[in-house]
Amino acid sequence: DIQMTQSPSSLSASVGDRVTITCRASQSISSYLNWYQQKPGKAPKLLIYAASSLQSGVPSRFSGSGSGTDFTLTISSLQPEDLATYYCQQSFSLGTFGQGTKVEIK
Amino acid sequence: EVQLVESGGNLIQPGGSLRLSCAASGFTVSSNYMSWVRQAPGKGLEWVSVIYSSGSTYYADSVKGRFTISRDNSKNTLYLQMNSLRAEDTAVYYCARDNTSSVGGTFDYWGQGTLVTVSS
Repeated sequence: DIQMTQSPSSLSASVGDRVTITCRASQSISSYLNWYQQKPGKAPKLLIYAASSLQSGVPSRFSGSGSGTDFTLTISSLQPEDLATYYCQQSFSLGTFGQGTKVEIK
Repeated sequence: EVQLVESGGNLIQPGGSLRLSCAASGFTVSSNYMSWVRQAPGKGLEWVSVIYSSGSTYYADSVKGRFTISRDNSKNTLYLQMNSLRAEDTAVYYCARDNTSSVGGTFDYWGQGTLVTVSS
């Protein structure tokens, strides 16, 4: 099974800050990597698919990069509504999610 | 508009059975890969099962042999039959649509979730 490891597990940043979350796969997954945002009490929402493609309707401050085993989700300017937990997920083989990164606003 | 609405969650004793439903609208369930994903209280997301448009089904090792995914094309509804339930199956269960028919799934629409609590 492919393991997905996210870092950090949590972070606190100020409004307007640039935030970066990383995700590492235990083996190469090419660009089969998705990012989801889950706000408290809500279902997850697809942000980025195929490592770097922005899902329709998602603000352009969100971006994704990487291929192979190392991937990054970047929020270019953190907004109050970005308070959430972010998950990476590989779609190369039967689904595995990372453990999540909780983003808090200072 | 695409919508997924889960139902069937409940408090159930260990060893019991439960069937979850996911009613879809705005698209055809049988034409898409559909998955169940669960989230234990305070924990992360765990993929549970998928049914491909072909009808092929796959399961996480943690539920294999106990859970069965199926669909009713006439009702445009996805199901998850859960047998021999354990305390560790306690979670919110989400159904999700895969919009790319990829092996592992790219989930563009999710239901609101239904809570299953396994406890005596």
